[in-house]
Amino acid sequence: GAVVSQHPSWVICKSGTSVKIECRSLDFQATTMFWYRQFPKQSLMLMATSNEGSKATYEQGVEKDKFLINHASLTLSTLTVTSAHPEDSSFYICSARDQDRVSDTQYFGPGTRLTVL
Amino acid sequence: AQSVAQPEDQVNVAEGNPLTVKCTYSVSGNPYLFWYVQYPNRGLQFLLKYITGDNLVKGSYGFEAEFNKSQTSFHLKKPSALVSDSALYFCAVRPRLKGGSYIPTFGRGTSLIVHP
Repeated sequence: GAVVSQHPSWVICKSGTSVKIECRSLDFQATTMFWYRQFPKQSLMLMATSNEGSKATYEQGVEKDKFLINHASLTLSTLTVTSAHPEDSSFYICSARDQDRVSDTQYFGPGTRLTVL
Repeated sequence: AQSVAQPEDQVNVAEGNPLTVKCTYSVSGNPYLFWYVQYPNRGLQFLLKYITGDNLVKGSYGFEAEFNKSQTSFHLKKPSALVSDSALYFCAVRPRLKGGSYIPTFGRGTSLIVHP
């Protein structure tokens, strides 16, 4: 149980285009999902917390107009990188909060490698 | 504020030898503690967690971790390392206080390299 999927697993796009990444909790409902960014050989950087049915909460320094987050259902959150530029190239990982389990564990998706040319 | 320290960027161990990946934490009250593993170009996989009770927690793939409240540590261990254990390991902490943040804080990660 507690599986989180992410799609696509990798994407290459041209500078100026927008890219949408989907995060799904497959066998549990997640009122809260998280979006992280990870640079090579570095830890996770929390970008935003996504709550079902409400606006996402962005961490300091993360542009909300650049990284649009939508959490339309209890099993799906999307991250759209708008007008992507090469500096947006990174590994994006989502996680979903399983509140029904004791200790409220986060489960992670497999990640999406974004390369902006 | 909560924080996690993984003092070693890299741990090297020979296959078959025991391994330890260190983690210390700082949090108000009693914590929930987690270990995750990340293989190259993959997301994080949940290994184990400490909630309460027995200080020795057993998890996936033969890993275990020992909660030490006095030393505020939660070191990850395995009696006999495998080459396939080579990966990046993250420790995370979250307070269990009501009203506290449910967002865990992650350590910087420790790269484990198991040599044949």
